Amino acid sequence: EVQLVESGGGLVQPGGSLRLSCAASGFTFSSYSMNWVRQAPGKGLEWVSYISSSSSTKYYADSVKGRFTISRDNAKNSLYLQMNSLRDEDTAVYYCAKLELLPIWGQGTMVTVSS
Amino acid sequence: NFMLTQPHSVSESPGKTVTISCTGSSGSIASKYVQWFQQRPGSAPTTVIYEDNQRPSGVPDRFSGSIDSSSNSASLTISGLKTEDEAEYYCQSYDSTHQGVFGGGTKLTVL
Repeated sequence: EVQLVESGGGLVQPGGSLRLSCAASGFTFSSYSMNWVRQAPGKGLEWVSYISSSSSTKYYADSVKGRFTISRDNAKNSLYLQMNSLRDEDTAVYYCAKLELLPIWGQGTMVTVSS
Repeated sequence: NFMLTQPHSVSESPGKTVTISCTGSSGSIASKYVQWFQQRPGSAPTTVIYEDNQRPSGVPDRFSGSIDSSSNSASLTISGLKTEDEAEYYCQSYDSTHQGVFGGGTKLTVL
């Protein structure tokens, strides 16, 4: 079964850090680019970051540039998002998504930034 | 910055046909693939159309996608509407630097 499973969300204070993980299974993870997409409570989908299959190319939304870092480990079929200097407005459900060819989404992990 | 604009909401009766538009702000929407995602409350998005007009297995053929270069827009058409189609629908494509872009979402009400 093709599957993406996120983990690592939780409650963090403003200015804090969190690392999200996404475990892929059921497809050749190393062949595809991957993305992080988030959704603030009651809001629409917001693209956050992209990484190419070989990690050679990375893109970030302006809202997270300089604070978030995307990475992957193809040997472990895993995608990561290191989030630093977190702000209240980063509160959202974070989805791991393969948007290339036939898109696949994870179930999401909630990140709450609050004091 | 490249943006995708969708109507905030649409409504139609069961059994009817509805079309949701997704208009690109600049460039040619036909130059990058467009995807359509369905999201029900409390659930993750699922793919109903990818690469402009392809349906994943398991998605009924009542769902179809198209591109209109003259209006620089993509469309999702759902025919034979069912109450289970009630959901939020998002279009997605890429800007010139291959950064992801989502439309603001369209709430479909089937009444």
